[in-house]
Amino acid sequence: GDSVTQMEGPVTLSEEAFLTINCTYTATGYPSLFWYVQYPGEGLQLLLKATKADDKGSNKGFEATYRKETTSFHLEKGSVQVSDSAVYFCALIPNNYGQNFVFGPGTRLSVLP
Amino acid sequence: SQTIHQWPATLVQPVGSPLSLECTVEGTSNPNLYWYRQAAGRGLQLLFYSVGIGQISSEVPQNLSASRPQDRQFILSSKKLLLSDSGFYLCAWRVRPYEQYFGPGTRLTVT
Repeated sequence: GDSVTQMEGPVTLSEEAFLTINCTYTATGYPSLFWYVQYPGEGLQLLLKATKADDKGSNKGFEATYRKETTSFHLEKGSVQVSDSAVYFCALIPNNYGQNFVFGPGTRLSVLP
Repeated sequence: SQTIHQWPATLVQPVGSPLSLECTVEGTSNPNLYWYRQAAGRGLQLLFYSVGIGQISSEVPQNLSASRPQDRQFILSSKKLLLSDSGFYLCAWRVRPYEQYFGPGTRLTVT
């Protein structure tokens, strides 16, 4: 079945460091890809999305590019802030939108001042 | 605007007690609704989803049940809680085919 794999955390960075969180997926056809963020004690928020190959999603300084050839959707940010500390989830919807989201296990990011 | 509510925000219940968590949405009609559980330090597990009133699909066998008595109300229940039911419960709402929004969650501790 469809699945999402993320790099294991926790990831600890200093403020202003470069961030990469790897995400790869297994799916038939052409899924839509997402990054969600969960701040402490809160629900998940949609961070960015890409619905077709080579699309780049971006929001709040975060970016991710849909790479079909490598089945990847890595999350990047050039300069992280303490306020970016959260858990980040990579997710997909299979090409049939009637199906449910498939979430990765999440990667916890801690940014130190 | 579209909003999703969950209550209570936190709950501490003894083993064997019943449970009722409520989720309501505003600003839309006939939404697809979802219940997820997030155990401590773990990812999301889809428990139930509903595409309409009275229509419930269960993803995993468990001690919990769900009901949708009204179009914008989704309830998660248990007759007898287990320790393993502890976790963070999230209600979600599918707005468009590829957008899903989450409520603020309920943290349940079973003692």
